[in-house]
Amino acid sequence: QKEVEQDPGPLSVPEGAIVSLNCTYSNSAFQYFMWYRQYSRKGPELLMYTYSSGNKEDGRFTAQVDKSSKYISLFIRDSQPSDSATYLCAMKVNQGGKLIFGQGTELSVKP
Amino acid sequence: NAGVTQTPKFQVLKTGQSMTLQCAQDMNHNSMYWYRQDPGMGLRLIYYSASEGTTDKGEVPNGYNVSRLNKREFSLRLESAAPSQTSVYFCATIRLEMNTEAFFGQGTRLTVV
Repeated sequence: QKEVEQDPGPLSVPEGAIVSLNCTYSNSAFQYFMWYRQYSRKGPELLMYTYSSGNKEDGRFTAQVDKSSKYISLFIRDSQPSDSATYLCAMKVNQGGKLIFGQGTELSVKP
Repeated sequence: NAGVTQTPKFQVLKTGQSMTLQCAQDMNHNSMYWYRQDPGMGLRLIYYSASEGTTDKGEVPNGYNVSRLNKREFSLRLESAAPSQTSVYFCATIRLEMNTEAFFGQGTRLTVV
């Protein structure tokens, strides 16, 4: 079983919908939580970063971490066709340690 | 400023052949990583190097070896390629002090026939 689990989808929503993406993990030592976005045939790019528990908001994106449940979420409000991509969660225990990714969720936002 | 450069971009190998994937970064980052990406599997960590002179196994190290040649370069070697190693390979770097954002290369598409 992978340390980080993510539903690979695909997920298809209409433009303007609220999107919820989630990951669960098994290693309680993870402290750094990230969401990456990957467009087709490109390398991933950092979208959101959260240290330990709590929420973080950046424009239409909100990242939540619930360490007690070992569960993280990414919400996208007012989704746009340009948000169509694969979203990967990633986690680290500490500096210099392994950066572990989930399987990625493929999102399609239809006009 | 190139960032993270991987070579080659594409490669076709025959089963049993060997090859080395090269990764170089000009960002003065400490940590470097090699991942493979397969459909539905996300990014799986092969090996990583927290700093120059150190390397550690990731989730799927079997069939691979790595060398952290210096701070800039981190190579991945396939000694005897197998069809199961057909994948897209990504190199990434992280600045240790910042500990957050990983910067990725453009990927190497490897096919083993």
